[in-house]
Amino acid sequence: DTEVTQTPKHLVMGMTNKKSLKCEQHMGHRAMYWYKQKAKKPPELMFVYSYEKLSINESVPSRFSPECPNSSLLNLHLHALQPEDSALYLCASSLTGGEGRSNQPQHFGDGTRLSIL
Amino acid sequence: GENVEQHPSTLSVQEGDSAVIKCTYSDSASNYFPWYKQELGKRPQLIIDIRSNVGEKKDQRIAVTLNKTAKHFSLHITETQPEDSAVYFCAAPGDDKIIFGKGTRLHILP
Repeated sequence: DTEVTQTPKHLVMGMTNKKSLKCEQHMGHRAMYWYKQKAKKPPELMFVYSYEKLSINESVPSRFSPECPNSSLLNLHLHALQPEDSALYLCASSLTGGEGRSNQPQHFGDGTRLSIL
Repeated sequence: GENVEQHPSTLSVQEGDSAVIKCTYSDSASNYFPWYKQELGKRPQLIIDIRSNVGEKKDQRIAVTLNKTAKHFSLHITETQPEDSAVYFCAAPGDDKIIFGKGTRLHILP
């Protein structure tokens, strides 16, 4: 069973649409992550939240907007995306992280496969 | 910052044989090294990890070895089975995040 739950599993949207990806974990983890993964590549870090505060933004375009409503939830709001944004978007969590050297295992959700038309 | 190199990029082994994937890292302060397995269309899944206070860790058919002096660590899979076919990523801790290797696609041949 996946301990990090992501919805939706698949999303197709036009370049003018607004949509949101959701992620939830109930392991008591205080760090949550958004990654983007293209085919045959490793996950590429986008954002890190530590104790519900944004601690890392890897120079992600503003058309991606993260939100952490509470310690269990993480959202990624999407607006005016480009075709090159089509990818698998993975959420992950770890007990701690985002501050200092990252030495805790990260648990990944199943991802949202996003296609931009 | 930390840099992780992973080799080989593709590996084919006969079912029942062993597979070895190697990674090197650059920052001598790194102290935690996880390995992730990602099957086609699925999430990366942590399969084993090692901390810098030990040199080897085993879990059934999977083992990881760490050489801190040489700054490299390796994944060993023995008695490979078809379900071992996947992409494997090593990782090392960078500042505030983990740094992934580029991945190794492992094919198990019948």
